[in-house]
Amino acid sequence: NAGVMQNPRHLVRRRGQEARLRCSPMKGHSHVYWYRQLPEEGLKFMVYLQKENIIDESGMPKERFSAEFPKEGPSILRIQQVVRGDSAAYFCASSPPWAGNTGELFFGEGSRLTVL
Amino acid sequence: AQRVTQPEKLLSVFKGAPVELKCNYSYSGSPELFWYVQYSRQRLQLLLRHISRESIKGFTADLNKGETSFHLKKPFAQEEDSAMYYCALNGGAGNNRKLIWGLGTSLAVNP
Repeated sequence: NAGVMQNPRHLVRRRGQEARLRCSPMKGHSHVYWYRQLPEEGLKFMVYLQKENIIDESGMPKERFSAEFPKEGPSILRIQQVVRGDSAAYFCASSPPWAGNTGELFFGEGSRLTVL
Repeated sequence: AQRVTQPEKLLSVFKGAPVELKCNYSYSGSPELFWYVQYSRQRLQLLLRHISRESIKGFTADLNKGETSFHLKKPFAQEEDSAMYYCALNGGAGNNRKLIWGLGTSLAVNP
């Protein structure tokens, strides 16, 4: 099992451009989470998705940010019209679908977004 | 408010010495707490969860509801324990692992 795969690992964008971050969960995992780590801050929850459903997006900024997890393909975190404050490490994590799972999250290596 | 506090940014000990990484939390319900670890050039991974009351790599952590703490302890530190340690609180319900994280403590175990 290859683990959670995120790409790109590093992304540089100019202000106003769009950033797309992709996450493929571990095989057999249907729950995906996105977390953001701003410089000098801790990890912050952004969104929790299951296949084709957004379950909890309470941590997502109200504008410019969106996430999806389609039936086929990776989960995508999309940031439109990026600003310098979006520069951060974005981590994806996955967990298995069965009830009573251990609560363990399996993390990717992160995608580091730099906005010039 | 739900919050996790790790008061030490950096902890440096000698090999063989006891180590305690502090974690305090603020949560109105019954907390579910975790310790995650990130070794150099590796991804974040689960070390311990309080509900299992297990010892992993010699580490233990006891939930103290009276002191709202979940400190991570090891009686004899090893050089390979050098890593970044994060305490996390589950702020979600059901299968939602909406974790609230501390800022982390960097543990350095010196030979």
